[in-house]
Amino acid sequence: TQLLEQSPQFLSIQEGENLTVYCNSSSVFSSLQWYRQEPGEGPVLLVTVVTGGEVKKLKRLTFQFGDARKDSSLHITAAQPGDTGLYLCAGVVSGTYKYIFGTGTRLKVLA
Amino acid sequence: DAGITQSPRHKVTETGTPVTLRCHQTENHRYMYWYRQDPGHGLRLIHYSYGVKDTDKGEVSDGYSVSRSKTEDFLLTLESATSSQTSVYFCAISPTGDYSNQPQHFGDGTRLSIL
Repeated sequence: TQLLEQSPQFLSIQEGENLTVYCNSSSVFSSLQWYRQEPGEGPVLLVTVVTGGEVKKLKRLTFQFGDARKDSSLHITAAQPGDTGLYLCAGVVSGTYKYIFGTGTRLKVLA
Repeated sequence: DAGITQSPRHKVTETGTPVTLRCHQTENHRYMYWYRQDPGHGLRLIHYSYGVKDTDKGEVSDGYSVSRSKTEDFLLTLESATSSQTSVYFCAISPTGDYSNQPQHFGDGTRLSIL
């Protein structure tokens, strides 16, 4: 069974602080995606990383795919209360259309 | 937002009854997925479809069946619901494209409680 381990599971920080969320696996993925989910809604795609070592930026969010395509990180600079939510990583199993999701990181940013 | 509608949005039923959840899309996407989301487990794939009448199992398929008779509809059936199937169920769709770079668009979920 392929697993994606996310850490930390919970994170409560003050507005303006920086944070990093990690997504790790022993499996290789053809791509990795990050989603954010609000209560009562489905996850919404933030970014897809495909190439080992790839770095993508989305305003204050920086996403990185590990060189071996087994891990990824999400870094948020100067967190805002609007960043509050559940962050999920999802890996596409190589050669398939199946997605494996991490268990999620619940972030709360306090004003 | 991608045109995905899940129905019903909420359902309460009793153990042993059959339950069917519907996912309807207006995007003409080839791939459709059913997930369940439970605390501590994230999203787990139940079944997915890669075309009309083409389906495959995910990691938690026991107790569930699916059908896709037309592109726009993907049905998830619990033949005889059990309390362990109480969960929030999400449908997702993906367009045809490079298999290594397919974004998923999710519906708003169905909250199912089995008493």
